[in-house]
Amino acid sequence: DTAVSQTPKYLVTQMGNDKSIKCEQNLGHDTMYWYKQDSKKFLKIMFSYNNKELIINETVPNRFSPKSPDKAHLNLHINSLELGDSAVYFCASSPGLAGVITDTQYFGPGTRLTVL
Amino acid sequence: GESVGLHLPTLSVQEGDNSIINCAYSNSASDYFIWYKQESGKGPQFIIDIRSNMDKRQGQRVTVLLNKTVKHLSLQIAATQPGDSAVYFCAENSGGSNYKLTFGKGTLLTVNP
Repeated sequence: DTAVSQTPKYLVTQMGNDKSIKCEQNLGHDTMYWYKQDSKKFLKIMFSYNNKELIINETVPNRFSPKSPDKAHLNLHINSLELGDSAVYFCASSPGLAGVITDTQYFGPGTRLTVL
Repeated sequence: GESVGLHLPTLSVQEGDNSIINCAYSNSASDYFIWYKQESGKGPQFIIDIRSNMDKRQGQRVTVLLNKTVKHLSLQIAATQPGDSAVYFCAENSGGSNYKLTFGKGTLLTVNP
C-alpha cells in the first residue's frame, strides 16, 4: 500500500562506517529524490534521478553515492560516516513528466541516521 | 520538547480558530508552489499547490494565496483542529526541467484544545 517506502527507519552507527538507505516507490513515477533534514528542520535536496539518470547533484560530498537500479528504486550509500551526517534522510518521488510544471513530489517516512 | 532549539517560526492558535501561515519565496521565476505538512516523526505530506498564473486556490479547509508582486505565499487553514498541529513548509519550483523544489524554513503550528 505504501507509496514511497524507506528502510531502515532508524540507523545508529559509528563514525567511519559505511551504510546504505533504501527507497522504493510504487507510484510508477519517473523521478526520485533524496533530501536531508537537519536538526532545525531545514529540508535540502541532495540528489535527483529521472529514469535512472542523475539530474540533480547539490554539492554533496563524494562520500554520498546514490544508486538507481531501476526507476522504482533509489538507494543512498554513505561511506566513512561523520558526526555531521546525523540527520533525517527523506526519499521522494514525482511523475517527472517533461515540460509539466506541476510536478508534485511525494515523500517517504524518513530514515533517522545517528552517527556516534 | 521537540521544539526546543529548533528556532522555527511558530504559530499557536486555539482549536476552531482560523490559521494563517506565511512564506516569502526567493525566486521571481518560480512558477509552481506547494504547501507541505510534516507531522512529528513523518515525512512531508502534500496539502495544496498553486501555479504562478493563479493568485488563489482552495481545497478542503485550506486556501493558498499567492502574491507575485511581493513574492509572498500564504496558507489559510479554516477551523483549525488539533490534528493540524505540525510543521508547515512552502516549496517553490523555479521551473525548467530539473524538477527541483526549494523548501522554505518551515513554521510550527500548535493547536491548543
